[in-house]
Amino acid sequence: SQQGEEDPQALSIQEGENATMNCSYKTSINNLQWYRQNSGRGLVHLILIRSNEREKHSGRLRVTLDTSKKSSSLLITASRAADTASYFCATAYNTDKLIFGTGTRLQVFP
Amino acid sequence: DAGVTQSPTHLIKTRGQHVTLRCSPISGHKSVSWYQQVLGQGPQFIFQYYEKEERGRGNFPDRFSARQFPNYSSELNVNALLLGDSALYLCASSSEDREKLFFGSGTQLSVL
Repeated sequence: SQQGEEDPQALSIQEGENATMNCSYKTSINNLQWYRQNSGRGLVHLILIRSNEREKHSGRLRVTLDTSKKSSSLLITASRAADTASYFCATAYNTDKLIFGTGTRLQVFP
Repeated sequence: DAGVTQSPTHLIKTRGQHVTLRCSPISGHKSVSWYQQVLGQGPQFIFQYYEKEERGRGNFPDRFSARQFPNYSSELNVNALLLGDSALYLCASSSEDREKLFFGSGTQLSVL
């Protein structure tokens, strides 16, 4: 079963705008990760945030984690057409597996 | 360095047949995981192998099996294929910390 629910399911924006995606999960976690998938092929790791962290940055990406609300958000600033992809959050309880959410499809128009 | 490689990229089978999917991890990675992704869904965990031992198994029937070889490559086998097994099968490897996953491009399996 899917652990995470992502919101919105789909998002369309213009280049230069910011994109925010949210992820909710059900049980306590060790860490939460975000992945990007282009055209239904392999996933690419974007960023990992641990359960004792509240915010993390990587380039144009900003991730927040609220363990009390069991939620996370991914912000992509100054979006580009190349950011068009599906974005998935994934939660880890241990090192044995990741549980992925349902994904947000992001479309960035030039 | 080569990334995670999977073969074949596409496969068409009929119901009742069996299939073997192959995966080579990034050099130096000892952990391999398999995921199934049905169209429109997120990946679902099937197996994880670390140092040739099964370390985790998802909620999949016994028709699904896997193994890891001494060179850390891996095979996923599915017997008695059903229409519902049609999906993208993703392999991922990870380094010693077994946290961040590096994915291959997947094998698209169609069962007719």
